[in-house]
Amino acid sequence: SQQGEEDPQALSIQEGENATMNCSYKTSINNLQWYRQNSGRGLVHLILIRSNEREKHSGRLRVTLDTSKKSSSLLITASRAADTASYFCATVPSGSARQLTFGSGTQLTVLP
Amino acid sequence: GAGVSQSPSNKVTEKGKDVELRCDPISGHTALYWYRQSLGQGLEFLIYFQGNSAPDKSGLPSDRFSAERTGGSVSTLTIQRTQQEDSAVYLCASSFGGQSPEKLFFGSGTQLSVL
Repeated sequence: SQQGEEDPQALSIQEGENATMNCSYKTSINNLQWYRQNSGRGLVHLILIRSNEREKHSGRLRVTLDTSKKSSSLLITASRAADTASYFCATVPSGSARQLTFGSGTQLTVLP
Repeated sequence: GAGVSQSPSNKVTEKGKDVELRCDPISGHTALYWYRQSLGQGLEFLIYFQGNSAPDKSGLPSDRFSAERTGGSVSTLTIQRTQQEDSAVYLCASSFGGQSPEKLFFGSGTQLSVL
């Protein structure tokens, strides 16, 4: 079953604009991670935010986490055509579970 | 190797045949995961190995699916009597393990097509 659900399912923007993707989840978590996938193959880890953190930055990426609303957002600033990809959030539930549960993803298209 | 290696990259098989998919994780990574991704969908967890502990098989969709990890390194996912609904990309990932999974490294996947 899906723990995280991304919103929107698809997003198309112009190069230079900012892109914001949202993720909602259902259960308490240890951490939340964002991954990027090009061409439907391997995923690449982008950033991790722990349950006791509210915001984190990495280069042009900004991630926020609101545990009271069980939601996270990923902001990509000054987007580039090369940012075109699918973006997935993944959560690690609190407790003994060790598996990451992935959402259904947001397909981002950055137009040159 | 430098990254997670999966083979074959593509596999076409006939319905009813058995297939084996291989994953070679990053050296030193104790945790290994298998996920399945259908076209345009998210990742579906299949199975998780951590060191010498019993694997978490809770995501395997049926008893036609099995996996093993020999010597704490290479893993093989076996699908017996394949069905058309098994067609998907099968992704393997590894990590350093620990209390809570952080930063999985993914292979490029095996595209399985069952005709």
